[in-house]
Amino acid sequence: GQQVMQIPQYQHVQEGEDFTTYCNSSTTLSNIQWYKQRPGGHPVFLIQLVKSGEVKKQKRLTFQFGEAKKNSSLHITATQTTDVGTYFCCMDSSYKLIFGSGTRLLVRP
Amino acid sequence: DAGVTQSPTHLIKTRGQQVTLRCSPKSGHDTVSWYQQALGQGPQFIFQYYEEEERQRGNFPDRFSGHQFPNYSSELNVNALLLGDSALYLCASRSDRADTQYFGPGTRLTVL
Repeated sequence: GQQVMQIPQYQHVQEGEDFTTYCNSSTTLSNIQWYKQRPGGHPVFLIQLVKSGEVKKQKRLTFQFGEAKKNSSLHITATQTTDVGTYFCCMDSSYKLIFGSGTRLLVRP
Repeated sequence: DAGVTQSPTHLIKTRGQQVTLRCSPKSGHDTVSWYQQALGQGPQFIFQYYEEEERQRGNFPDRFSGHQFPNYSSELNVNALLLGDSALYLCASRSDRADTQYFGPGTRLTVL
């Protein structure tokens, strides 16, 4: 079945360092969504990308959709302790969300 | 405007028992989906309800069943609980054909 692979599984950074998580699919994606889940919390929608090569920014977060629409990335510039959590990419398949395994971000103050 | 609400927050059951989890969607939303999230993993789609009918179903056994009421709220029932059913159960709502789903806080189910 359809699935999205996400790397790395964990990332431990010093506050102020940058962070990137990558999402890959073997099939072309109609769209990609990103969610953030804080420890003990629930997934919170961040953004949806639809167009090939699309780049969207939210303050220190930059989201990119690959030209072939098979991969995506989330880059955080100058991480802060508030960025701690697990970041999931997911594909929206007929209104069913198929989640990647997530990248857990830990930030050392 | 309340977001998605779920009850109970936590639940402890023993193997073989049955459980019912409840979800109230965000105001204006008519579609409810249920997800199971095991520890350290991404949420897995269980099923989706729209107009009181199951519209889509993931790869879960028949022990997992659901219902949607006329007010769009929903229940998830799990029969003959197994230890492996221990997980966070998330409800998500959306307007039909809208892109964004909103997740509730979840119900943490522990099966002993």
